[in-house]
Amino acid sequence: LAKTTQPISMDSYEGQEVNITCSHNNIATNDYITWYQQFPSQGPRFIIQGYKTKVTNEVASLFIPADRKSSTLSLPRVSLSDTAVYYCLVGAMNTGFQKLVFGTGTRLLVSP
Amino acid sequence: GAVVSQHPSRVICKSGTSVKIECRSLDFQATTMFWYRQFPKKSLMLMATSNEGSKATYEQGVEKDKFLINHASLTLSTLTVTSAHPEDSSFYICSARFRAGRGPGDTGELFFGEGSRLTVL
Repeated sequence: LAKTTQPISMDSYEGQEVNITCSHNNIATNDYITWYQQFPSQGPRFIIQGYKTKVTNEVASLFIPADRKSSTLSLPRVSLSDTAVYYCLVGAMNTGFQKLVFGTGTRLLVSP
Repeated sequence: GAVVSQHPSRVICKSGTSVKIECRSLDFQATTMFWYRQFPKKSLMLMATSNEGSKATYEQGVEKDKFLINHASLTLSTLTVTSAHPEDSSFYICSARFRAGRGPGDTGELFFGEGSRLTVL
């Protein structure tokens, strides 16, 4: 399983764009990159998933360089409700039932 | 999206008793479910992989006799904490993978339950 490394914490203000980078140097060919969000006392929630280049949905964008050894989650114009822990996971999700191991995650604090 | 429900959301028990936590996939079938535990301000730690109709696969360091997992149907997995002690107090979270097929759009997304907070007195 590819190990991931993220900043422990980040601070931002409402309305700003937040970029959280995750390193996954040992990512395998079949691995996808998925980001989850977790609020206190709740289960994680899926945000976005990608394999290469750029993926965008209604809440975030995911940038993956050509070597795929890192990825960046971009949250546009964050609000107070975006304060949460964000986890980057790597795994071959589309093939079989591979377990997912969570890294430390990044604790994002959005202030007024 | 797919829904995974856990019950109970909170449970308080006395030391030495056993507690069962249920994890249900409400609108899809899940042949595999995962159980995690989480301590305050810490990341999720994978405890075991629950496979329908077969024995669970436990992670290293997780006592299988302590944490009994049963995956009796495609929509239900249970975690029983046997002879609970205060150090077992934690937030337990289950997840299930929704598999619409192996074609395009099948993200293999993991859906998580709301979590169950266990407090052992």
